[in-house]
Amino acid sequence: DVKVTQSSRYLVKRTGEKVFLECVQDMDHENMFWYRQDPGLGLRLIYFSYDVKMKEKGDIPEGYSVSREKKERFSLILESASTNQTSMYLCASSRAIGYTFGSGTRLTVV
Amino acid sequence: AQSVTQPDIHITVSEGASLELRCNYSYGATPYLFWYVQSPGQGLQLLLKYFSGDTLVQGIKGFEAEFKRSQSSFNLRKPSVHWSDAAEYFCAVGASDYKLSFGAGTTVTVRA
Repeated sequence: DVKVTQSSRYLVKRTGEKVFLECVQDMDHENMFWYRQDPGLGLRLIYFSYDVKMKEKGDIPEGYSVSREKKERFSLILESASTNQTSMYLCASSRAIGYTFGSGTRLTVV
Repeated sequence: AQSVTQPDIHITVSEGASLELRCNYSYGATPYLFWYVQSPGQGLQLLLKYFSGDTLVQGIKGFEAEFKRSQSSFNLRKPSVHWSDAAEYFCAVGASDYKLSFGAGTTVTVRA
């Protein structure tokens, strides 16, 4: 069964910390995506990548960066965590149209 | 740019009753359309998708959706809901650049 694995289900970090959210897929997919999910807002695209070392900004990239050094791994980085980045973060991958999602990381910034 | 509207934030339905969730999209060309379901604390699971062809699409768990181009809609239906269908449902539209845009979601509560 194909899988997208997010390394942490729950994470609590302090304001100002640098935070790494990791996502690994085992399907040899070219495309990978990071979304954040907030009540009433649905899923909003933060960053995406079509290939190794490639990255593109989504709709809400401010305060975030990404890294894709290997095809299977796509990391989301919060350079200096703030309380308004408390959210559910979802990683997804695809070869074409249509995603496979990870289980999500619920991040709380205190 | 594509966008999705799910007009209903929350729907309550009795077990065994039918369910319909509304989805309207905005996109200039023929869209790729999806419905995903999210159980509490979980990621999103694909229920069904429409790319082209037959406008009535069958999915998993007994769900179906109908694409109506004239109404820019892609409504999800289930004839008889089960308590396990309680979840949040997301409609999404995709373009040729592989990005999906999601609606705000509809939460379904099933009462006994």
